[in-house]
Amino acid sequence: ELKVEQNPLFLSMQEGKNYTIYCNYSTTSDRLYWYRQDPGKSLESLFVLLSNGAVKQEGRLMASLDTKARLSTLHITAAVHDLSATYFCAVDATPMDSNYQLIWGAGTKLIIKP
Amino acid sequence: SAVISQKPSRDICQRGTSLTIQCQVDSQVTMMFWYRQQPGQSLTLIATANQGSEATYESGFVIDKFPISRPNLTFSTLTVSNMSPEDSSIYLCSVEGERESYEQYFGPGTRLTVT
Repeated sequence: ELKVEQNPLFLSMQEGKNYTIYCNYSTTSDRLYWYRQDPGKSLESLFVLLSNGAVKQEGRLMASLDTKARLSTLHITAAVHDLSATYFCAVDATPMDSNYQLIWGAGTKLIIKP
Repeated sequence: SAVISQKPSRDICQRGTSLTIQCQVDSQVTMMFWYRQQPGQSLTLIATANQGSEATYESGFVIDKFPISRPNLTFSTLTVSNMSPEDSSIYLCSVEGERESYEQYFGPGTRLTVT
């Protein structure tokens, strides 16, 4: 069974601190995506990681992909309240000659306290 | 990135009735996706809708319950039929991005409550 596991599922942290969200997956894939969802809102694409060793950074967020370990990380540096949201990772698990398929993690609800 | 709109944004429906959700994209796309997201949960893919062919449904979802239309490359509808309270959820449509990345872009969602 194809699985994408995120941890932690819930994270409460203080502003100014650093932390990392982990995304482990069980299938062979070299495409992984991170999305952000604010309460009551839709999903916003944050990062697209397309190869082993890929690293992307945007502001206080940095995402990386290790396809050999089947692991992606989303690192938060010096957190600010505006980063409070739920973060999802999704793995491209499209089989050969088949429909495009994304497998989604359960999401990490991040609360950043002033 | 594509701009996606959905109608209605929310609705409260009685059990046993049906609701059709519309998804409009500002550019032509081959693949459109319909997801369900229950409160506090992750996304569950209902079906993939390609223009000119029948929608492909995921395990646990059937055409009689969730009929989908895809009349052209910018529009799709999802109908939730014979609704029950268990169908209360957010329904999201999405489209594939550029071929190089395959990321998906999401519409704003339709929040459905069935009483």
